[in-house]
Amino acid sequence: DTAVSQTPKYLVTQMGNDKSIKCEQNLGHDTMYWYKQDSKKFLKIMFSYNNKELIINETVPNRFSPKSPDKAHLNLHINSLELGDSAVYFCASSHYRTSGGFDTQYFGPGTRLTVL
Amino acid sequence: GQQVMQIPQYQHVQEGEDFTTYCNSSTTLSNIQWYKQRPGGHPVFLIQLVKSGEVKKQKRLTFQFGEAKKNSSLHITATQTTDVGTYFCAGPRRGETSGSRLTFGEGTQLTVNP
Repeated sequence: DTAVSQTPKYLVTQMGNDKSIKCEQNLGHDTMYWYKQDSKKFLKIMFSYNNKELIINETVPNRFSPKSPDKAHLNLHINSLELGDSAVYFCASSHYRTSGGFDTQYFGPGTRLTVL
Repeated sequence: GQQVMQIPQYQHVQEGEDFTTYCNSSTTLSNIQWYKQRPGGHPVFLIQLVKSGEVKKQKRLTFQFGEAKKNSSLHITATQTTDVGTYFCAGPRRGETSGSRLTFGEGTQLTVNP
């Protein structure tokens, strides 16, 4: 069984469109993330949710809106897509530790978004 | 700003040569994690280091955490084509010792010529 899954795997769309990416994890984790990886492989966190509550919101345009309907799901909706949004978007999940370090993050397979 | 800096950005080696990537921070890290991402794949956790001066081995991979807990390295002995990929270090944000907020280094892309 896939631990962290994302759909779709590939997304090709025109500039100005609105699109969504879905993520689900079956690991029982309480924290989920969205990362953006650009063409240079730089991995940058965008958002993190703990128990459906937003806990990390990096400097990301308002066009990006995450939604977590429950602990196992974290979706990403993007409005008015721009050329610069082209990247690979990774969902990840982990346990949130209140002490004693950081837990392992498990990544989904990624969604390659191409904006034309 | 970026918490952890990673060098080199790219490394090309002949199969059988050794490889090392370095991760540096201006502040003390409570711990550091290493991930590997194969071409076309997703980052996969390799190891976490917590103690000052800690050294851990996984077959041909040796991970070190500096005495001051400000730097870390990953060394691969006798590289193989299966080692190809991007290696990331990841550390907590400044001052954080737990939680979930990791900052990833820029990664080192390793290519191995057979």
